[in-house]
Amino acid sequence: GENVEQHPSTLSVQEGDSAVIKCTYSDSASNYFPWYKQELGKGPQLIIDIRSNVGEKKDQRIAVTLNKTAKHFSLHITETQPEDSAVYFCAAGRGNKLVFGAGTILRVKS
Amino acid sequence: SQTIHQWPATLVQPVGSPLSLECTVEGTSNPNLYWYRQAAGRGLQLLFYSVGIGQISSEVPQNLSASRPQDRQFILSSKKLLLSDSGFYLCAWRADRGSGYTFGSGTRLTVV
Repeated sequence: GENVEQHPSTLSVQEGDSAVIKCTYSDSASNYFPWYKQELGKGPQLIIDIRSNVGEKKDQRIAVTLNKTAKHFSLHITETQPEDSAVYFCAAGRGNKLVFGAGTILRVKS
Repeated sequence: SQTIHQWPATLVQPVGSPLSLECTVEGTSNPNLYWYRQAAGRGLQLLFYSVGIGQISSEVPQNLSASRPQDRQFILSSKKLLLSDSGFYLCAWRADRGSGYTFGSGTRLTVV
């Protein structure tokens, strides 16, 4: 089955700096890669996703890149703000199931 | 628009008591439905998923069970709770294989 590894587990950045979170997956058949943001006590919210036929996708300050050959994908947040502080999860999957990474706690210091 | 409702928000139950958590989705039909558990505020563990009424796939064998009595209703149950069942339970839905999950607001379960 699919296995997703996510790094780093904790990331602290200064407000205005960029943040990068990386994930690797094991199943080369996976074709859908979403990223979720979870604030304390709430359910995760989808912030951006990418499919296997695309190498990069951007939405304002957030971008995701996918390297199918190396089986890894990354989340890039530019010009970080205090409200970006949260836990971020990557996921990979195909068919009916998604497998999630263990999460990254992002702290943006002002 | 589609919405997902999950309740209760918090629940404290004694060991050995039964459990019933309910999740409903509005504004869509024949969604894929999922139950996840999150321990210690981190990783999401898939417990059950359903692609249709009465169709349940179990990912983790344990003392929990799931049922889908109606198209947009997904229920997580237990006959006897264990201390290890404590956690944050999340229901999610997706329209089809090509779309992302939408999560509910979660239920914080504490077994005492």
